[in-house]
Amino acid sequence: NAGVMQNPRHLVRRRGQEARLRCSPMKGHSHVYWYRQLPEEGLKFMVYLQKENIIDESGMPKERFSAEFPKEGPSILRIQQVVRGDSAAYFCASSNIGTEQPQHFGDGTRLSIL
Amino acid sequence: AQSVTQLDSQVPVFEEAPVELRCNYSSSVSVYLFWYVQYPNQGLQLLLKYLSGSTLVKGINGFEAEFNKSQTSFHLRKPSVHISDTAEYFCAVTKAAGNKLTFGGGTRVLVKP
Repeated sequence: NAGVMQNPRHLVRRRGQEARLRCSPMKGHSHVYWYRQLPEEGLKFMVYLQKENIIDESGMPKERFSAEFPKEGPSILRIQQVVRGDSAAYFCASSNIGTEQPQHFGDGTRLSIL
Repeated sequence: AQSVTQLDSQVPVFEEAPVELRCNYSSSVSVYLFWYVQYPNQGLQLLLKYLSGSTLVKGINGFEAEFNKSQTSFHLRKPSVHISDTAEYFCAVTKAAGNKLTFGGGTRVLVKP
């Protein structure tokens, strides 16, 4: 499967715990994007990364959320001290170089906070 | 900043009937336009995209969309729907010189037999 791989597909955490969501981009893609889909809403941009660099984090909440895309390995979206309002589907997308290149999406991680 | 409005949150349609999903956008700069489809518990799949050139764009699964610059619209159409087209459809834009997608709120299409 050469598509965008996200894991886990489902993640359950209790309030106050940490959540780590992983994303492996399509082969050959060097750009990674994270989006959040709250219940009954569309997708909202969170952060755009290239290898070892955060390019645009204008959609990231100011506290508790962080993202990285290391030289080796998947991109990680980390949420510290989760709260009920963090319950959502988190989607990762990747694209090739060039602003006209479409983004290809993974199947998402559905995060539930107890 | 860009914004996208999908005028219909739900569209019920009978099998083999045509369907049109409306999308209007707002932007002060040139944009690229996309339609994605989301099946239950899955990610988004690209249906079609408009970058430049011909304003009528053909995509996968028999879908097409027309870019209308004067009306800032990018409506999606299919002449004859199947049960398998039941899904949620998202219109999205990005700045031609940017990267992040701005999505509309989505339109749920329910195809009835």
